[in-house]
Amino acid sequence: DTGVSQDPRHKITKRGQNVTFRCDPISEHNRLYWYRQTLGQGPEFLTYFQNEAQLEKSRLLSDRFSAERPKGSFSTLEIQRTEQGDSAMYLCASSLPLPSEFGYTFGSGTRLTVV
Amino acid sequence: AQSVSQHNHHVILSEAASLELGCNYSYGGTVNLFWYVQYPGQHLQLLLKYFSGDPLVKGIKGFEAEFIKSKFSFNLRKPSVQWSDTAEYFCAGYMDSNYQLIWGAGTKLIIKP
Repeated sequence: DTGVSQDPRHKITKRGQNVTFRCDPISEHNRLYWYRQTLGQGPEFLTYFQNEAQLEKSRLLSDRFSAERPKGSFSTLEIQRTEQGDSAMYLCASSLPLPSEFGYTFGSGTRLTVV
Repeated sequence: AQSVSQHNHHVILSEAASLELGCNYSYGGTVNLFWYVQYPGQHLQLLLKYFSGDPLVKGIKGFEAEFIKSKFSFNLRKPSVQWSDTAEYFCAGYMDSNYQLIWGAGTKLIIKP
């Protein structure tokens, strides 16, 4: 296991379409996080899971955004009815239960372009 | 509200120059602070972290940072930069939670060969 994997790396979609991104964390990491990064900004927290439980989702940007981690391993982030403002890099990260000590490991991200 | 500020959005230096990138946070309680680096086309990588103990922390690739609580600062330093240090550097921290990192806007560092 060499790190956090995200798929796809790039996604171009038409406005109004639904998109789904996948994240495979480091296998021994039970925490998984989704962030969004727009140009010129640092990452913005969206949601996180501990095992299969989604413990914080109030920062998801709207009800068009949802995330799952059904078996406590990989996770998906879905955006419904995409808008041009959703264009951004979507980052996944994973960590051990004490992230404040060890930090996160990030994936390479999925770059979404909504046209 | 908690925040992290990086005041220099772009820094250009020549090789062998000394580097200091500023990071300030806004929070009155206990903080855990990090510096991450993002090389062109690559993912975010942890450079160093502070969560307790010695306020001068050393990280990878010759970087260090000093936590100064009285100044709410966690500046990143390197005595002599190399062309390969060209990247974007992000300061981030945990403040009132242990799961949500709050990030600065990043500093793009360009090293001229």
